[in-house]
Amino acid sequence: NAGVMQNPRHLVRRRGQEARLRCSPMKGHSHVYWYRQLPEEGLKFMVYLQKENIIDESGMPKERFSAEFPKEGPSILRIQQVVRGDSAAYFCASSPLDDGYTFGSGTRLTVV
Amino acid sequence: AQTVTQSQPEMSVQEAETVTLSCTYDTSESDYYLFWYKQPPSRQMILVIRQEAYKQQNATENRFSVNFQKAAKSFSLKISDSQLGDAAMYFCAYRGSNYQLIWGAGTKLIIKP
Repeated sequence: NAGVMQNPRHLVRRRGQEARLRCSPMKGHSHVYWYRQLPEEGLKFMVYLQKENIIDESGMPKERFSAEFPKEGPSILRIQQVVRGDSAAYFCASSPLDDGYTFGSGTRLTVV
Repeated sequence: AQTVTQSQPEMSVQEAETVTLSCTYDTSESDYYLFWYKQPPSRQMILVIRQEAYKQQNATENRFSVNFQKAAKSFSLKISDSQLGDAAMYFCAYRGSNYQLIWGAGTKLIIKP
């Protein structure tokens, strides 16, 4: 049973470009969470999704950031018009219900 | 709002010795979960141990154990017989009625051979 798969592992974008981060949850997990980790800090909650539904996006910046978890395929975190301050590690976690998180290895986004 | 504080940015321990990492939290809830996660250089976030607040017994996983003091809102992690592979960042995290995990800033653990 593969764990939570995130890709790409590293992503470099120029300022103003779009970044797309993908997360495939563990088999049987229908809940996906995205967290952001800035250097030297713990993780900060961004968004919680179930299949085809955004449950809580209170941690998402109001502009440029969006997330989806379609019926088929991975969850996508999309950042439009990236800026230097978006540089961070983005982690996805999944769970079968609202407990028992399993984390992916993260995507390190670097904006140049 | 809940907060999690890890007051030790860095700790070092001799291989085979015991080390304790501190974590305090603030909450008005009575039912919640506490976690310790390990983040090695690979960046993978690995669950080390978990404690349910309603359980008085401290959780234990092999060489890892916690000292959970609910009244003091303290949740320290003890690592016995430290091994080189234990070197990593260690994060304390809280989850209450809200499913969000609230994280501390982390403690870097260095193992001296």
